[in-house]
Amino acid sequence: DAGVIQSPRHEVTEMGQEVTLRCKPISGHNSLFWYRQTMMRGLELLIYFNNNVPIDDSGMPEDRFSAKMPNASFSTLKIQPSEPRDSAVYFCASSPGPASEQYFGPGTRLTVT
Amino acid sequence: GIQVEQSPPDLILQEGANSTLRCNFSDSVNNLQWFHQNPWGQLINLFYIPSGTKQNGRLSATTVATERYSLLYISSSQTTDSGVYFCAVDAALIFGKGTTLSVSS
Repeated sequence: DAGVIQSPRHEVTEMGQEVTLRCKPISGHNSLFWYRQTMMRGLELLIYFNNNVPIDDSGMPEDRFSAKMPNASFSTLKIQPSEPRDSAVYFCASSPGPASEQYFGPGTRLTVT
Repeated sequence: GIQVEQSPPDLILQEGANSTLRCNFSDSVNNLQWFHQNPWGQLINLFYIPSGTKQNGRLSATTVATERYSLLYISSSQTTDSGVYFCAVDAALIFGKGTTLSVSS
């Protein structure tokens, strides 16, 4: 079974550019989560979806961040415009349902210069 | 929100030693997971353990939900056990700050 797939694995961009991160959850999983990891703040939830519907986006830092899940097998996290403080590792995770075991993708390391 | 505290923050062991990592949480939870983040940054599932005890090889975990803590036991540690161990709770995971484990040969 393929695990959670994220792309790209690494992204380097200049301040002000649009960045799109992609995630394919494990087939059959109904819940999808986006997390961010930084040295200062550790691992923190950005947003999660259940059955493609956003349930909690209280962790999204500001309006520059947006996330979509157009179907059960694909989600995007977009940052527009990007800033140096957005530099972090962004993880996507999926689970069969709410409050069940989550499985993480390999992460996307984003560097904004 | 729920607070998650892990201890100790850092742990240095010789190969073959045993260790216990602790996770305290401030409210009742319906989900608790332990992860190992390896030196390449990958988050590896160790246990999904909202309550009770589980074992997997040299690792075992116990969660006492009524007392709001969980323990991760590592026996006969190996250098490959090095990395950061995270406890995370609740449906949308709230992570502790982790325990950084270094095992030397």
